[in-house]
Formats: sequence, C-alpha cells, structure tokens
Amino acid sequence: DTGVSQDPRHKITKRGQNVTFRCDPISEHNRLYWYRQTLGQGPEFLTYFQNEAQLEKSRLLSDRFSAERPKGSFSTLEIQRTEQGDSAMYLCASSLGVTNEKLFFGSGTQLSVL
Amino acid sequence: KQEVTQIPAALSVPEGENLVLNCSFTDSAIYNLQWFRQDPGKGLTSLLLIQSSQREQTSGRLNASLDKSSGRSTLYIAASQPGDSATYLCATIMTTDSWGKFQFGAGTQVVVTP
Repeated sequence: DTGVSQDPRHKITKRGQNVTFRCDPISEHNRLYWYRQTLGQGPEFLTYFQNEAQLEKSRLLSDRFSAERPKGSFSTLEIQRTEQGDSAMYLCASSLGVTNEKLFFGSGTQLSVL
Repeated sequence: KQEVTQIPAALSVPEGENLVLNCSFTDSAIYNLQWFRQDPGKGLTSLLLIQSSQREQTSGRLNASLDKSSGRSTLYIAASQPGDSATYLCATIMTTDSWGKFQFGAGTQVVVTP
C-alpha cells in the first residue's frame, strides 16, 4: 500500500492554458474522488468514479473541467482555458466503496493560474 | 444544503493542555461524521469516523463525540504535543448523498507551543 499519489505537486500556468492532473489511487480501491480546496476553506466535492464510471459531478465542475478514469485505475482531471478563479489545491481520494469507510487522500496538486 | 461550521478558526495552546475542537452542522440526516487532520500544503488524514448511530469514537489520545439532535461534534485531544499542530477539519455525509460526497467545515488551525 503506497497510498494515493498525485502528480504534479505544483503547477503554475497562464490564464487560458489547459492543464491536466493525474491521480493514482490505492490499488484495490474501486472508488476515486476529486475535491477542490481554496485557502482557508474545507475541500469541496467535484466528482467521483466507481471503477471507470463517473457517477456524479458537482455543479462546481463547469464545462471546462473533465475527468476520466480509463480502465478503472488512475484518473486524470483536465481544466481547459484556465481562469484565475481555478487556482486551488486539487485533492484526490480513494476508497473501497463500502459505506461508512474512511477515505484516503493524496497530497494534492496546487494550481496557480497567473 | 448541509452547512458545517467550525469555531474557532484558530487556536493556540501550550504543550500538555487538552484540546477541544468544535463542529456544528445544520442537518441531522447524516450517515456519519469524520474528523480529518491536514498539515500545511498536504492532503487530509482521516482521524476518527463516527457513524450516525454512535455517540463517540476513541483512538489513543483522540476522542470524538457526536450529538445528532443538537447538530454538534467535539474532538478532544488529550495532553497536546507540538506534533499535534495542524488544521483539523470535520465533514459529514448526508443520507441522501452518494458515499464519499463529504461536506467539510473550514477547519480549526491548531498551534501547540512547546
């Protein structure tokens, strides 16, 4: 068990550019979640996958955001035409998919849009 | 919509004192409540999970209580140490929501001084 890993740890981009983040969950975990956290706030739910199926998307996930989890393993979160308001920590978490279980979070990708 | 509030936003105590962290929520229809720890620039680590049918959970120096009727949870950390310095967040999942779709508070930033 190597934990949830996210890449890159930090990303600086210019407004209007596209960015992609990767998350590798704990290997036996079926569920994968994306959250976004801004400074001084708690994380906000964005979306989650059960295996390769994306089962729910928050209204926070505008059309510029897309997430995938091909083959039910790693996941990518892409933001197109980034805006300064997209600057945040993007957190990935995974779990087995059983009710009342703990979630395991990665260290996050800190995005700064200039 | 569930609102989760944590007061105070920041707390400083001398080493050895007991810590008392508060969490309140507006809707009692929850699956459970979890307490997380977050170190600066890092992801979240789950500390304790209290199911809706439970009143408290304990792990080492940590004890968390849950009073659904009053919409409150309290995290107690006994005999605080400088290593306990971190931000502590509470989060709930509604019974009407998908598992993993947590509603987080903004956290209490704790500093334990030697």
